Amino acid sequence: SYVLTQPPSVSVAPGKTARITCGGNNIGSKSVHWYQQKPGQAPVLVIYYDSDRPSGIPERFSGSNSGNTATLTISRVEAGDEADYYCQVWDSSSDHQVFGGGTKLTVL
Amino acid sequence: EVQLVESGGGLVQPGGSLRLSCAASGFTFSSYWMSWVRQAPGKGLEWVANIKQDGSEKYYVDSVKGRFTISRDNAKNSLYLQMNSLRAEDTAVYYCARRVGVLGGIYFDYWGQGTLVTVSS
Repeated sequence: SYVLTQPPSVSVAPGKTARITCGGNNIGSKSVHWYQQKPGQAPVLVIYYDSDRPSGIPERFSGSNSGNTATLTISRVEAGDEADYYCQVWDSSSDHQVFGGGTKLTVL
Repeated sequence: EVQLVESGGGLVQPGGSLRLSCAASGFTFSSYWMSWVRQAPGKGLEWVANIKQDGSEKYYVDSVKGRFTISRDNAKNSLYLQMNSLRAEDTAVYYCARRVGVLGGIYFDYWGQGTLVTVSS
């Protein structure tokens, strides 16, 4: 089955840029989606189809995908961005959804 | 406004059964694939099961095949997860999620708040 690898944690100072990676074999050939989950809350979609933003998600959130790595970039990080972030792809051969292990973003 | 509200969670003994429900509103339920996703305490997200709009196709993660059954009632705008032969490792918050996208890219655009299932003696 397809495996997605994320760093367990990323730390960034307020106002700086955070980059959260999601690694997978030739992930650039797949569509990658990203979710934000704050403690005690349900996940929220923040990026879909690699780089599209749902309505209501700030432009500070962006995504890219190429080769073996997809990246979620959060510009001008705010304290409210502190959360767990998960990447996800669809395995078409089995109709399974695959999640990365999640990355805890800490705002220093 | 899209709303997904789960219910049915609770404490159950190993080997027991539980049926989760998800009440959907704010969209045409019968037009969407639906899914269950779970999250063990302190752990990441794990997809559990999918069901097609008319219930004709169902898919499961290997760890629940033969024990869990996903179903839906479009007349009642409701999604279900029948969980049998429960194990300690099934302990998790179970989320109902609306599945969207086209071939090549499937994702979840709305999630419920989740219902906690605890399997323990």
